[in-house]
Amino acid sequence: GNSVTQMEGPVTLSEEAFLTINCTYTATGYPSLFWYVQYPGEGLQLLLKATKADDKGSNKGFEATYRKETTSFHLEKGSVQVSDSAVYFCALSRTGGSYIPTFGRGTSLIVHP
Amino acid sequence: EAQVTQNPRYLITVTGKKLTVTCSQNMNHEYMSWYRQDPGLGLRQIYYSMNVEVTDKGDVPEGYKVSRKEKRNFPLILESPSPNQTSLYFCASAPDRRYSPLHFGNGTRLTVT
Repeated sequence: GNSVTQMEGPVTLSEEAFLTINCTYTATGYPSLFWYVQYPGEGLQLLLKATKADDKGSNKGFEATYRKETTSFHLEKGSVQVSDSAVYFCALSRTGGSYIPTFGRGTSLIVHP
Repeated sequence: EAQVTQNPRYLITVTGKKLTVTCSQNMNHEYMSWYRQDPGLGLRQIYYSMNVEVTDKGDVPEGYKVSRKEKRNFPLILESPSPNQTSLYFCASAPDRRYSPLHFGNGTRLTVT
C-alpha cells in the first residue's frame, strides 16, 4: 500500500538558517505529492504541491521537487523565520481511482530568534 | 468564504455520554473525512465519505460512527466515549479529483474523563 515517511522532529533552527525536512514515499503508479502546514491551534493547510515527476512546488519561500527516481519530496527553505514554527506534513494522493490521501506523521519545526 | 466548519472547538465529557461533533463545508465537495491527531502518531483517518450516503472505514474506526445524509455535512458520533478517545479531531473535505488538496477545519479538542 501507499506510505509516507518523514524525518522525526522536532527540528530546531535559528532564524535565517536553511531548512530541509525529508520526505520519502511508497506508492504504485504516479501519485500527487503535497506538503501541508499546521500552525499552533489551527487545522492543516496546503503549503505546496507537485503533480508529476520533476515538478517543483513552491509557496512562501518553501520549495519541494518531486523526485520519482528517489521517491522523495523534500521540503526546503533558504532562510526560516520565527513565524515558520509549525508542524509540517508530507502527503500523497492515492492513485488509480478516487482521491484518498496518505499522510506522514508530521515534523515539528521550532525557529528561535 | 470557502471553509470547513467544525463544532465545538473544545469539548469535555464523561465516559459513556454520547456526543456528536459536527462538520460542514460550503464548497460542494464530494469527499469528506475525519482524522484524529495524537502526539507521536500523526494523523490517523477514522472514516471517510466519497459522496452522499457513501461512507467507509479508515484506519481507526472503532468506537466511532458517521453519516452523510447531505453533501455538506459529515457529523462524527461517539456513542459511548472512552478516555482513549481523548484527542484532537479534524474534519476535511476535497473535490473528488486526484490533484485536489484537502481543506481542513480548525479542529475539535475532545477530553473524555
